[in-house]
Amino acid sequence: DGGITQSPKYLFRKEGQNVTLSCEQNLNHDAMYWYRQDPGQGLRLIYYSQIVNDFQKGDIAEGYSVSREKKESFPLTVTSAQKNPTAFYLCASTTGGTNEQFFGPGTRLTVL
Amino acid sequence: QKEVEQNSGPLSVPEGAIASLNCTYSDRGSQSFFWYRQYSGKSPELIMSIYSNGDKEDGRFTAQLNKASQYVSLLIRDSQPSDSATYLCAARSGNTGKLIFGQGTTLQVKP
Repeated sequence: DGGITQSPKYLFRKEGQNVTLSCEQNLNHDAMYWYRQDPGQGLRLIYYSQIVNDFQKGDIAEGYSVSREKKESFPLTVTSAQKNPTAFYLCASTTGGTNEQFFGPGTRLTVL
Repeated sequence: QKEVEQNSGPLSVPEGAIASLNCTYSDRGSQSFFWYRQYSGKSPELIMSIYSNGDKEDGRFTAQLNKASQYVSLLIRDSQPSDSATYLCAARSGNTGKLIFGQGTTLQVKP
C-alpha cells in the first residue's frame, strides 16, 4: 500500500529532552512538509523540503530541526529549545503534477 | 502575510440538507485550491481540489471557485451525520508554492 506513515502515534517528552518524530512515504513524492496543529487552531508550517539534502524553514521553525537524507524520509526533531511542544504533529507530501498534498496520520506529542 | 479566511462555525444543518462552506483568500497569485476534511483527533483528508473558475463536482461534493472575487466554496448535498467534521480550506501561494490553510469550519449535521 502506498502512503505516508508517522511514528510513534503518541509520544511523551520530559522537560529538557529532545525527541524525534518519524515520517516515511512510499509515494515517490519529492516534497515533504511538517506542520503543527494546536487545539482549535489551523495548521502551521514548521519545515519543508522540496528535494533530498535540502530543506527550508517554515513559519515556526524555532526549536525544531529536520534532515532529508533520503527521498522517502523526513524526520523532525523537537529540541529542548521548543518551549511549548505539546501539539499534534502532521507530516505531508505533495504530488509533482497536481500539487495535491496528502497527510500522514499524525503524532500527538505531550510534555510531562 | 497571505491569508485564507474561514468562518469557524459551528455550522449546523439538518440531515439531508445542503451544507455550504465558504473561504476567501488574499493572494491573487494563488492558482490551486483544496478542501480537506478533518475528523476530531485525526489528520486532514483531501476531498476536493479545484484549479479553474467555476464548479467541480465529485459525488455529493461540489467545489466552486471565483478568482475575481477570491472566493472558494464547498457544497455538501444530502448531508449525513458522518459529514460532521472540521473542513479546512487551503490555497497554494503563488510565490512560494506552499499551502496556506484557513482555521477551518466545524460542520455539525443533526439527525
